[in-house]
Amino acid sequence: DQQVKQNSPSLSVQEGRISILNCDYTNSMFDYFLWYKKYPAEGPTFLISISSIKDKNEDGRFTVFLNKSAKHLSLHIVPSQPGDSAVYFCAAREYGNKLVFGAGTILRVKS
Amino acid sequence: KAGVTQTPRYLIKTRGQQVTLSCSPISGHRSVSWYQQTPGQGLQFLFEYFSETQRNKGNFPGRFSGRQFSNSRSEMNVSTLELGDSALYLCASSPTSGTGVAKNIQYFGAGTRLSVL
Repeated sequence: DQQVKQNSPSLSVQEGRISILNCDYTNSMFDYFLWYKKYPAEGPTFLISISSIKDKNEDGRFTVFLNKSAKHLSLHIVPSQPGDSAVYFCAAREYGNKLVFGAGTILRVKS
Repeated sequence: KAGVTQTPRYLIKTRGQQVTLSCSPISGHRSVSWYQQTPGQGLQFLFEYFSETQRNKGNFPGRFSGRQFSNSRSEMNVSTLELGDSALYLCASSPTSGTGVAKNIQYFGAGTRLSVL
């Protein structure tokens, strides 16, 4: 039973436009949500996070939105750059340091 | 500051063998977590160690075990390997196992890719 779902396996966006990556979850006990980016042959790197008590968090070109009633999370990247091409994982903290990850979305930014 | 180091990077084993993977966390980090990543799946949580004690455990069979040493380095062992154990095994460290998002950011190593033939 997948508690965190990323329903879009891939996304292609033009350079300079907005990239929107989506994530749905089922467990209302999750208290933090995180986005990680992963390049081939490297480990995931932390991008941005949001507490369950907030609905928005911004960090430069990256903004994460949380809709608790819909159990939906999204990551906006504006403007998108070719270097943003990677696999993006949504993750939720269950307890302690246990993170529950989605299957990932491959983002391709075309120049 | 050096990142999380995992060794070896690649490993090939045959069914029935056992394997030990190693993880050196970021200096000063006391929590080490292990994840398994298979094609099409996200990262699946294996277990977390903090101060040499297993704190959390995922839904994996007892063939998967781990330990942590006093210097916070951790090892993961898989016994009686099966074909389905072929995966990328990722280790992540964080400063503590406490609450608060800053403390909960996990920093990942590049992983060990295990192939079971």
